[in-house]
Amino acid sequence: AQSVTQLGSHVSVSEGALVLLRCNYSSSVPPYLFWYVQYPNQGLQLLLKYTSAATLVKGINGFEAEFKKSETSFHLTKPSAHMSDAAEYFCAVSSNFGNEKLTFGTGTRLTIIP
Amino acid sequence: NAGVTQTPKFRVLKTGQSMTLLCAQDMNHEYMYWYRQDPGMGLRLIHYSVGEGTTAKGEVPDGYNVSRLKKQNFLLGLESAAPSQTSVYFCASRNSMNTEAFFGQGTRLTVV
Repeated sequence: AQSVTQLGSHVSVSEGALVLLRCNYSSSVPPYLFWYVQYPNQGLQLLLKYTSAATLVKGINGFEAEFKKSETSFHLTKPSAHMSDAAEYFCAVSSNFGNEKLTFGTGTRLTIIP
Repeated sequence: NAGVTQTPKFRVLKTGQSMTLLCAQDMNHEYMYWYRQDPGMGLRLIHYSVGEGTTAKGEVPDGYNVSRLKKQNFLLGLESAAPSQTSVYFCASRNSMNTEAFFGQGTRLTVV
C-alpha cells in the first residue's frame, strides 16, 4: 500500500520569506511523487513531479522539491513567497508494479502575509 | 484544448435521489479517476479505471458506482444520494503511472 502524509494543514509565511511544505511518503516499491496546487474553486494543476531521474526537481512558479529516499520525503520549497502563491497544495504518490492508484495527502493551505 | 470536462458543475439533490456525473477526456488517456474532496481530508479516491471496460474500487467506494463503456468517458453514479455524499467531486485522467494527471474543474454536489 502507498500513502502520503503532509505535515501541517495550514502554513503561513510572510511575503518574500522561504516557503517549506512537508511531504512524507510510504511505498513498498520505488515511488513516483507529485506536487499539485489548487486555487480557490478550481481543479488541481501540476507543480512538479519526481519520476526516478534527478532527485532535485524544479517546477513552475519557482517551486522545487527534493526526493530523499533515506528520509522518505519530498518537501516542496520556494525561496521567496509571493502573494499569488496563496493556495492549497497537495502531495501525491503512485508507482508501477500493479498499483494504478494515485494517492493524495490531506493538503496544506498556504497563506501569505503581506 | 478541452482536456478533462465534468458535467454538471453544480447540483442539488434530495436525499434518495439518483444522479450521474459525467467525465470526458479528449487526450486518449488510459487511466481515469474519480475523487471526492472534503475539508481537511484531501482528495479521496472513489473508483478508478485502467482502460475501457474496466473499473476498480478506491478508498471510499460505498454508495457509488462507475462505468467506462468508452475510453474517453468515465461515469460516476449515485443510486440513492445521502447527505454524507455532499462534496466536491473531481475527475482526473492520465496516460501512465509516471505522468501527470489532468483534472476537471469539479462538480459541487449538495444533498439535502
